[in-house]
Amino acid sequence: DAMVIQNPRYQVTQFGKPVTLSCSQTLNHNVMYWYQQKSSQAPKLLFHYYDKDFNNEADTPDNFQSRRPNTSFCFLDIRSPGLGDAAMYLCATSRDLLAGEETQYFGPGTRLLVL
Amino acid sequence: AQSVTQLDSQVPVFEEAPVELRCNYSSSVSVYLFWYVQYPNQGLQLLLKYLSGSTLVESINGFEAEFNKSQTSFHLRKPSVHISDTAEYFCAVSEAGGFKTIFGAGTRLFVKA
Repeated sequence: DAMVIQNPRYQVTQFGKPVTLSCSQTLNHNVMYWYQQKSSQAPKLLFHYYDKDFNNEADTPDNFQSRRPNTSFCFLDIRSPGLGDAAMYLCATSRDLLAGEETQYFGPGTRLLVL
Repeated sequence: AQSVTQLDSQVPVFEEAPVELRCNYSSSVSVYLFWYVQYPNQGLQLLLKYLSGSTLVESINGFEAEFNKSQTSFHLRKPSVHISDTAEYFCAVSEAGGFKTIFGAGTRLFVKA
């Protein structure tokens, strides 16, 4: 089945220690998104890639970076995690950026714990 | 700016009872509306969406939602729920011509035997 895969499902890191979360997709979609979701809150868009073009949300902290080396993979790098960065991180894809109509396809998420 | 409010954080209901999950949005332009469902240990997946045309949209598993422009609502309903409908449901909105989707905080539906 075509899908969006996130590894690992749970990630524990130490305060200030860089961490990378991974996402891969077999859907061959052009767009990949990263969302942050804190407990009982809405998923919040951090950034997205349209093909190789990177688009950062205005309020995404500089501490968060992303890489997309090819169509299938996208990484979320947190350079110096703080306690406030503990959250579920969701990766999603969509076929295109078709004027708001596109369905997004989500991975199961990676839960990050910062000690 | 767009926003989405899901009025209930948790909705417990008995099996075979009807359910309504409420969603209100705000936007100054035309919108598209979505309901996503997240089953335990899985990613969000699309349940149904409204783009244009008939204001009543249906999913394959018996849910329906009605776009009400005057009340800026997109409530999700099912006349008779099953245990397997236990999940978290997210309402989302995107602006026509835009690319960004805004999600609500989710409603946890608990279906009890």
